[in-house]
Amino acid sequence: DSGVTQTPKHLITATGQRVTLRCSPRSGDLSVYWYQQSLDQGLQFLIQYYNGEERAKGNILERFSAQQFPDLHSELNLSSLELGDSALYFCASSADMGEAFFGQGTRLTVV
Amino acid sequence: AQSVSQHNHHVILSEAASLELGCNYSYGGTVNLFWYVQYPGQHLQLLLKYFSGDPLVKGIKGFEAEFIKSKFSFNLRKPSVQWSDTAEYFCAVTGSGGGNKLTFGTGTQLKVEL
Repeated sequence: DSGVTQTPKHLITATGQRVTLRCSPRSGDLSVYWYQQSLDQGLQFLIQYYNGEERAKGNILERFSAQQFPDLHSELNLSSLELGDSALYFCASSADMGEAFFGQGTRLTVV
Repeated sequence: AQSVSQHNHHVILSEAASLELGCNYSYGGTVNLFWYVQYPGQHLQLLLKYFSGDPLVKGIKGFEAEFIKSKFSFNLRKPSVQWSDTAEYFCAVTGSGGGNKLTFGTGTQLKVEL
């Protein structure tokens, strides 16, 4: 158990819909990262938050957004979903300069 | 922009065979290097990491990796694989000033046969 909790584990939704994925980092970790894993794109970095502030942005679509709350949990919002958004979404957390610990992921299926 | 290349996409070995997975990175500055493993249906777990110091790094489960700066490489090795090592292996890099975000290679799927 990495200490990073993601909910839900599985999500099936229709095209055009909006979903929210939730991540609770390890106790004390200020950084939260979101990654997307798909067969064709591999593991892609989406966005990083540090203590509530956006720190780095990767290949995140404009339809996607994220935030980190005062209690340090984070949410990734995916809207206007398309079939191609089906993927495994991982959250990871780290202390300031330490290694990242990954959650179990949320498997999103868009039908 | 930093990038990571893993040359072996699929590797099949027999138990007790030796393993070496290649990883090359492209980045102009100081890097931190990682190998992660993903067992079927599970999350990514850290095998080992290199930040500085001895370029030969030992990780969990008998894995080790060698950082060769001149070759921009960080190859993963294990002298004798087990069936339980069947998994996908990812090399990753973070660079200074990058906010610690990991850039991953495409992964190597390892299958160990009995």
